Amino acid sequence: KAGVTQTPRYLIKTRGQQVTLSCSPISGHRSVSWYQQTPGQGLQFLFEYFSETQRNKGNFPGRFSGRQFSNSRSEMNVSTLELGDSALYLCASSGGRLDEKLFFGSGTQLSVL
Amino acid sequence: AQSVTQPDIHITVSEGASLELRCNYSYGATPYLFWYVQSPGQGLQLLLKYFSGDTLVQGIKGFEAEFKRSQSSFNLRKPSVHWSDAAEYFCAVGGNSGYSTLTFGKGTMLLVSP
Repeated sequence: KAGVTQTPRYLIKTRGQQVTLSCSPISGHRSVSWYQQTPGQGLQFLFEYFSETQRNKGNFPGRFSGRQFSNSRSEMNVSTLELGDSALYLCASSGGRLDEKLFFGSGTQLSVL
Repeated sequence: AQSVTQPDIHITVSEGASLELRCNYSYGATPYLFWYVQSPGQGLQLLLKYFSGDTLVQGIKGFEAEFKRSQSSFNLRKPSVHWSDAAEYFCAVGGNSGYSTLTFGKGTMLLVSP
């Protein structure tokens, strides 16, 4: 069974641009969560999608958005990039029940210049 | 608001020695508690979780953790460390939304010396 797949693995953008990151969950998983990891702030929850609906949201500005498709694949978009958005973005999937474990992908490393 | 504190940024342990990584949490109700491990360039792997019941939890790779409500702690232990255990370890707490909305500590980097 394939794991959680995140693409691209690395990304370099400049300030003001926008970026879209992709996450393919484990087959059969309906929940996809996104986390941002930085050296300063650590791991922070961005949002969670379940059956194409945002179920939970962290404390990030509106520049950070996401969506989930009918096949459970998810995309995360960051508009008007800032230097501080440089981070490892991790995606995790689960079956969607609140007591199910998360399976994490290897992440997308975003660098904003 | 929930929070997690991992007081040790780095810990160095000799191979074969015992290990204890500290974690303190703040949460109003009974928390869901987790320990994850992250190797360089990789995602997070769940080592163990506490949901309810027995306060001593066994996990993968020979790790265990003990939930102590009176101390708001969930320390991770391993009796004998292997070189392959070198990685970064994260403690996390989940709230009412369960496993998907986790609050993580800043992590403890474990170095294993020969």
